[in-house]
Amino acid sequence: DVKVTQSSRYLVKRTGEKVFLECVQDMDHENMFWYRQDPGLGLRLIYFSYDVKMKEKGDIPEGYSVSREKKERFSLILESASTNQTSMYLCASSSRDGTGINQPQHFGDGTRLSIL
Amino acid sequence: GDSVTQMEGPVTLSEEAFLTINCTYTATGYPSLFWYVQYPGEGLQLLLKATKADDKGSNKGFEATYRKETTSFHLEKGSVQVSDSAVYFCALSDPQATGFQKLVFGTGTRLLVSP
Repeated sequence: DVKVTQSSRYLVKRTGEKVFLECVQDMDHENMFWYRQDPGLGLRLIYFSYDVKMKEKGDIPEGYSVSREKKERFSLILESASTNQTSMYLCASSSRDGTGINQPQHFGDGTRLSIL
Repeated sequence: GDSVTQMEGPVTLSEEAFLTINCTYTATGYPSLFWYVQYPGEGLQLLLKATKADDKGSNKGFEATYRKETTSFHLEKGSVQVSDSAVYFCALSDPQATGFQKLVFGTGTRLLVSP
């Protein structure tokens, strides 16, 4: 089974802090994603990466950055945390098959981040 | 842009009742459609998918049929169990429109099943 592991289930940080959320997948997937989940809004894509050192902005990248130095690890960085970034953050990964078609995404259990 | 609309919840049912959760979509290309489920305290799991019109996805007693004429992908189950209580997300992926496998999610529908 695919395993997507997020480093923390719960995290509490202060306004202005630099926050790192880590995600590791064990299936050699090419693609990795970061979403935030908020009540009534569903999941919204923050950033994604389709290869090592490659990153693309999603729908709501403002206030965030990412890093993908190794294929299995995708980090989300809140440069200067603000209270409106309090949310559930979900990491996902997916592979590409032999014809280049992207396969369904597999999700981690999420990190519930509170910014005080 | 692409979008997914789900019925608002919560949907409250008794065990063994029939379940329908409505999902409609708007897409510029020819999307693949998905249902994901999120159990309490967990991430999302893929429940089923359909990649073209008239395809039926099925898993764990759940079914959904890709209806291009009505742009719908309604989730159904004939007899729900207490263990089906979760949040269900409809989603689409439209690489032709976005150039990449980007999932667009609905807002989720919470299902509560009582014994």
